[in-house]
Amino acid sequence: DAGITQSPRYKITETGRQVTLMCHQTWSHSYMFWYRQDLGHGLRLIYYSAAADITDKGEVPDGYVVSRSKTENFPLTLESATRSQTSVYFCASSDESVGNYGYTFGSGTRLTVV
Amino acid sequence: DAKTTQPPSMDCAEGRAANLPCNHSTISGNEYVYWYRQIHSQGPQYIIHGLKNNETNEMASLIITEDRKSSTLILPHATLRDTAVYYCIVRAVNTGTASKLTFGTGTRLQVTL
Repeated sequence: DAGITQSPRYKITETGRQVTLMCHQTWSHSYMFWYRQDLGHGLRLIYYSAAADITDKGEVPDGYVVSRSKTENFPLTLESATRSQTSVYFCASSDESVGNYGYTFGSGTRLTVV
Repeated sequence: DAKTTQPPSMDCAEGRAANLPCNHSTISGNEYVYWYRQIHSQGPQYIIHGLKNNETNEMASLIITEDRKSSTLILPHATLRDTAVYYCIVRAVNTGTASKLTFGTGTRLQVTL
């Protein structure tokens, strides 16, 4: 199916564990983004990517690693999870063409670090 | 990207028009006004965007003032399903670099019976 999908939807992990959140889009959009949203707060940008093999930091990148070997995938890795990384994570993609409709977001991954 | 100012919350009766204001007094000439909404626990959803002309689609209308320093999102006949947080964002497009969406705290719209 066309669209942007995130997996898993829910994840519980222990402090210090490595965990990877997956994001896959089928439109071949050049740009992809990772946001986190904490309870009662807006979305904050973690990392973004302009194309395969091109990534850059957002507002809150510490503790996260990203890669983009293929245009359609943009995984987010927490190398050593901490309780402060408990959050809902949203992936988005964008086509930066004229008249584009901005970002399309996935359904989110709810991560709990215990 | 320019910053925006929105009221934290608004109420609207079902069936009535919901008018959500947004101030963006420092908007630049190449920045568009985008509106998104986030229904509880879901990913943000694109609603509409515009540069300087008023825009309308099947979801809403966007009215941008002539000086482009403010705008209003209009939901013509609000329903309970329109209860959500609405984000107004200004964003440059086609700059050759990733023009990131920066979310503020938005307006929480509560539609009531």
